[in-house]
Amino acid sequence: EVKLVESGGGLVRPGRSLRLSCAASGFIFHDYGMHWVRQAPGKGLEWVSGITPNGDDRDYADSVKGRFIISRDNGKQSLYLQMNSLKPEDTAFYYCVKETTREGEFDPWGQGTLVTVSS
Amino acid sequence: DIQMTQSPSSLSASVGDSVTITCRAGQTISSHLNWYQQRPGQPPKLLIYGGSSLQSGVPSRFGGGGSGTHYTLNISRLQPEDFATYYCQQRYDSPWTFGPGTKVEVK
Repeated sequence: EVKLVESGGGLVRPGRSLRLSCAASGFIFHDYGMHWVRQAPGKGLEWVSGITPNGDDRDYADSVKGRFIISRDNGKQSLYLQMNSLKPEDTAFYYCVKETTREGEFDPWGQGTLVTVSS
Repeated sequence: DIQMTQSPSSLSASVGDSVTITCRAGQTISSHLNWYQQRPGQPPKLLIYGGSSLQSGVPSRFGGGGSGTHYTLNISRLQPEDFATYYCQQRYDSPWTFGPGTKVEVK
């Protein structure tokens, strides 16, 4: 069974940093692209960042470009999101998502970890 | 960025009804369109990919169609577990944008 488990969320002050982790299991991690998608409480879905299977290519939403860094450790079957210069509008559930090799759709999704940016 | 819109934003229906949700893209996305279902307190779940292909394990009462900029999600014979929010997503060009969602509520 494919499983994605996020961790690292919490309450953080504006301007500070936080690092999210996603532990993957049940599939050959280094064969798949991975993404982070976020959802502000009660709001819709926003793609945040994606990374290719070998980690060579990374992509970001304009809203986080220059502040967030996506990375992966294929040996540890883990995905990361380093979030710097956090803003209140970054408050959201952050989901770790696996990309399929068919049409690139997102499946499955982790349960999410909540990041709250507030003073 | 490719803007995605959905209509309606919400709808009320009864168990056994059939409903249709529409998703429009700001430019042609050549059926690189996916649909997700999100129940309260749960992460999204993939229903349809490539515009019309049913994800394994998803009931056949769900169906997707469309082309170009216009896509639809049809749900026939609504079941209690289908009352949820549905999102479309384009995978034609980065950034991978989602529609704002359609909430299907109990009438």
